[in-house]
Amino acid sequence: DAMVIQNPRYQVTQFGKPVTLSCSQTLNHNVMYWYQQKSSQAPKLLFHYYDKDFNNEADTPDNFQSRRPNTSFCFLDIRSPGLGDAAMYLCATSRRTGVTEAFFGQGTRLTVV
Amino acid sequence: QKEVEQNSGPLSVPEGAIASLNCTYSDRVSQSFFWYRQYSGKSPELIMSIYSNGDKEDGRFTAQLNKASQYVSLLIRDSQPSDSATYLCAVNPGNTNAGKSTFGDGTTLTVKP
Repeated sequence: DAMVIQNPRYQVTQFGKPVTLSCSQTLNHNVMYWYQQKSSQAPKLLFHYYDKDFNNEADTPDNFQSRRPNTSFCFLDIRSPGLGDAAMYLCATSRRTGVTEAFFGQGTRLTVV
Repeated sequence: QKEVEQNSGPLSVPEGAIASLNCTYSDRVSQSFFWYRQYSGKSPELIMSIYSNGDKEDGRFTAQLNKASQYVSLLIRDSQPSDSATYLCAVNPGNTNAGKSTFGDGTTLTVKP
């Protein structure tokens, strides 16, 4: 089945130690998104790619970076995780910009110790 | 004022009742509207999308959109315990380079057997 897959499902990292979360998709969608969701809060968009075109949200901290080496894969890099970065990170895809829904992966639960 | 606001929960209904979830948004040019269901610890799952004023029905779910009032709602008929989850309202803006959603904080629904 076509889907969005995130790895790992659970990630524990040390304070300040760089960590990378990965996302792959078999939907062949143009757009890939990274959202951060903290407990009982709305998913918050960090950035998205439209093909190779990177779009950063204005309030996304510089500590968060992303790479999209090809259509299928997208990575979220947290350069120096802080305790406040503990959250669920959601990868999503969509067919095109504008009027379309997002298809989410299972999420990666990040714990910072 | 938040861009997307949902009625504060939690909402509790008995099995078989109608659950009504409400959402208002601030951006008048918004073009597309989505309802996602999110079980605890899981990622959001799309259940309804609506783009035009009026009602859209899919099984036990009905989405209602009123762009003049900037209001969108979700009705769940014959509620089941398996409907117990957090429901997220998501809104996409109307400009062309905006393949992203702004989410509300969600309303947690509990359906009691």
